[in-house]
Amino acid sequence: KNEVEQSPQNLTAQEGEFITINCSYSVGISALHWLQQHPGGGIVSLFMLSSGKKKHGRLIATINIQEKHSSLHITASHPRDSAVYICAVNTGNQFYFGTGTSLTVIP
Amino acid sequence: SQTIHQWPATLVQPVGSPLSLECTVEGTSNPNLYWYRQAAGRGLQLLFYSVGIGQISSEVPQNLSASRPQDRQFILSSKKLLLSDSGFYLCSGRGAPSGNTIYFGEGSWLTVV
Repeated sequence: KNEVEQSPQNLTAQEGEFITINCSYSVGISALHWLQQHPGGGIVSLFMLSSGKKKHGRLIATINIQEKHSSLHITASHPRDSAVYICAVNTGNQFYFGTGTSLTVIP
Repeated sequence: SQTIHQWPATLVQPVGSPLSLECTVEGTSNPNLYWYRQAAGRGLQLLFYSVGIGQISSEVPQNLSASRPQDRQFILSSKKLLLSDSGFYLCSGRGAPSGNTIYFGEGSWLTVV
């Protein structure tokens, strides 16, 4: 069983739709990260969360430490948002990663 | 800010040949450095991590080794590649003053033929 579970695995949306990706974890963490992996493989760190909510442009990330759950929301989705979104948790000196959510936004 | 450079970006190697992937860090000193492989069905899996020069911890037994000859250099190696070594390899780092923020290299696609 993976320490980090993401859903859905694949997601196709029409441009403009509101998108939610979920992440649940089973270990104690010091922080949770949302990452974006582009088709070429390069990875960008979107958010680092230890509590509450963060917003950057059209992206919103929330975390509930008691429930060990986080969500990544994309408002007014755009084709350039198409990528794999990965949830990662930091337990101290080690990171665990979800298997990713492949998002395709259709014009 | 901290940046991580990783190369080569893509690599096609025959079975039994050696491997060397290199990762260098800018913008911080004494970072914690990590090598990951993207394994099917498990996402990114930690292979090695290092908290300092010459200090390497291995998370899973495998055909690979890692070395840290300098503070900002982390190398992933193999003496003889196996077909099962094919995959996506990623270097990442975490260091002052970023605290918990992690940074990633561009990744390396390895195909063993």
